[in-house]
This record gives sequence, structure tokens and C-alpha cells, in this order.
Amino acid sequence: AQSVTQLDSQVPVFEEAPVELRCNYSSSVSVYLFWYVQYPNQGLQLLLKYLSGSTLVKGINGFEAEFNKSQTSFHLRKPSVHISDTAEYFCAVTPSSSASKIIFGSGTRLSIRP
Amino acid sequence: DTEVTQTPKHLVMGMTNKKSLKCEQHMGHRAMYWYKQKAKKPPELMFVYSYEKLSINESVPSRFSPECPNSSLLNLHLHALQPEDSALYLCASSQSRVETQYFGPGTRLLVL
Repeated sequence: AQSVTQLDSQVPVFEEAPVELRCNYSSSVSVYLFWYVQYPNQGLQLLLKYLSGSTLVKGINGFEAEFNKSQTSFHLRKPSVHISDTAEYFCAVTPSSSASKIIFGSGTRLSIRP
Repeated sequence: DTEVTQTPKHLVMGMTNKKSLKCEQHMGHRAMYWYKQKAKKPPELMFVYSYEKLSINESVPSRFSPECPNSSLLNLHLHALQPEDSALYLCASSQSRVETQYFGPGTRLLVL
């Protein structure tokens, strides 16, 4: 079985500051990793994904994440945030053999202060 | 066309009503999903359809009845719901069961 832990339920950051949202996972099999963003009153949008290959993954809106197998982490980063980045961010994992059952973390609410 | 559409956006229904949620995608995806999301919680998987056949039912109560009339369309029929079923219902699709899922905007359901 897989599990995902998002260590911070809320992260307040000033505009134009860097941010890191932390995600750790647990799995006995190989996995795919994802970050989804949910803006207020909207559905989920895929930010980026790690399937294989380079451990540094670049996504939309200037976000990137690094897969660290030894630390079982997949932290999300952005060097300079904007007010428009205010949203809920979900880290997720699926076994690479079947992506049907996404296991989501509990979410991190990123709030940007002017 | 790279989006999943869902209708209606909002739905209010009484506990004796019958209503349906609709999801559509025109990306040629062969797997489609229903999720339920309560406020401040992650989405929870309800059903998975693969090639128009139900492949996963996460022990969802029978008052929720999914239907996949064709490869582009997924419905969720609702009957005799309870107030605790109020939530955001999200639809997703993927090329196959091992590919990335793309989500629709959701239907916000309120059961009175």
C-alpha cells in the first residue's frame, strides 16, 4: 500500500518570496508522483508529475519538484510566488503498475501575503 | 480539446429527489473516474470505468449509481441522498488506467 504525508497543512508566504511545500511518501513498489493544485471553488489541475528519468521535474506556472528516492520525498518549489498562487496543493502517488487509485495527501493551503 | 467538462456546476436537491451529474471528455481517454471531495479534504475515489466497464467501486452506497453510456460520457445518478453526501463531485479521465488523470471543475452538490 502507498501513503502520502504533506507535512504542512498551511504555508503563509509573502509575495515574491520562495516557497517549498513538503511531501513524503511511503510505498513498497515503484510509484508515480504528482502535484495537483486546486484554486478556490475549482477542480484539480495537474502541476507536474514524475514518472521516470530526471529527478528534477518542471511544471506549469514556474513550479518544480525534485524526486528523492532515498528520502522518499517529492517537495514542490517555486522561487518567487504571486498572489495568484494562493490555492490548495495536493501531493499524490500511484503505483506505476496502475494509476487508477491515486492516493492523495491531505493538502497544503498556500496563502500569499502582499 | 484537453478538458473535462462537468454539468451542472451547482446542484441543490432534497433527500427524495433523483438527479444526475454529467461528465464529458473528448480527449479519447478510455478511463473515467468519479471522486467525492468534502471541504478541506483531498478527493476520495468512488468509481473507475475502464473501456466503458466498471472496474473499481470503492464500496460506495447504492444511492450513487454510475453509468458510462459511451467512451466520452460518464454519469452519476443520485437517489435518496443524505445531507452528509453534500460535497464537490469531481470527474477525471485518463488515457488508460496507468496514465495521468485530468480533472473536471466539479459539481458542488448540496443535499437538504
